[in-house]
Amino acid sequence: DVKVTQSSRYLVKRTGEKVFLECVQDMDHENMFWYRQDPGLGLRLIYFSYDVKMKEKGDIPEGYSVSREKKERFSLILESASTNQTSMYLCATTDFMGNYEQYFGPGTRLTVT
Amino acid sequence: GNSVTQMEGPVTLSEEAFLTINCTYTATGYPSLFWYVQYPGEGLQLLLKATKADDKGSNKGFEATYRKETTSFHLEKGSVQVSDSAVYFCALSDGGNSGNTPLVFGKGTRLSVIA
Repeated sequence: DVKVTQSSRYLVKRTGEKVFLECVQDMDHENMFWYRQDPGLGLRLIYFSYDVKMKEKGDIPEGYSVSREKKERFSLILESASTNQTSMYLCATTDFMGNYEQYFGPGTRLTVT
Repeated sequence: GNSVTQMEGPVTLSEEAFLTINCTYTATGYPSLFWYVQYPGEGLQLLLKATKADDKGSNKGFEATYRKETTSFHLEKGSVQVSDSAVYFCALSDGGNSGNTPLVFGKGTRLSVIA
C-alpha cells in the first residue's frame, strides 16, 4: 500500500511566522502535489513537482514556495504566514499523470492567528 | 481550460435511499474521469474511475458512467448507508496528452446519511 504521511495533523502558527509543512511518500513516485482545501472552494492546487528539484506553479502559488530535495519528500513553505492561509493542506502523489490514481495524505489543518 | 462542475451540497438522505450526485465536465480531447471520497478526518481516496466513453466505474456499490455526449459522470448508489457520509469529489485528467497535467477537481459535495 502507498503511504503518504504529513508531518502534523494540526498546527497553530502566528502571523508572520515561517511555516514548513512536510510530506513524505514511500512508493518512489515521481509526482507530488500540494493542495489547500477550503469550504465551498474545494481543492485548489498550490504547487506540484514531477521530479527532484523541479517544481511547477499551480492555481494559487502566491504566498507559498516548495522544496523537493529528495524524491520522497515534498515541502510546502509559507514564507510569512497570514490569517488567510488558515486552511486544510493536503499532499498527494502519483507515479504518472493522466489516468492514474493520486494518493493523498491525511491533511494538515493549519490555523494562523 | 478543463473544468468540473458538480452539484452543490450538502445532500442529506435517509439510510437506504437512492443517491445521485451530478458531475459535468469541460475538457479538450478525451479525459479520464474520477470520483474521490473524503471520509471525516481523512485525506481523499479514489472511489472509482473511467478512462473512456461509455465505461462504467464501480466500487462499494457506487457506479458512474462516462457519458461523452452529455459530458457527464454522475455518481449513483442504490441504497446508501450511514457509513457513506463523506465529501465526494469529481475530477478529470486529460489523460496525459498534454504532458504533466494534474487532476482538475470539482468543489466537492458533502453527503450526510441519517439512520
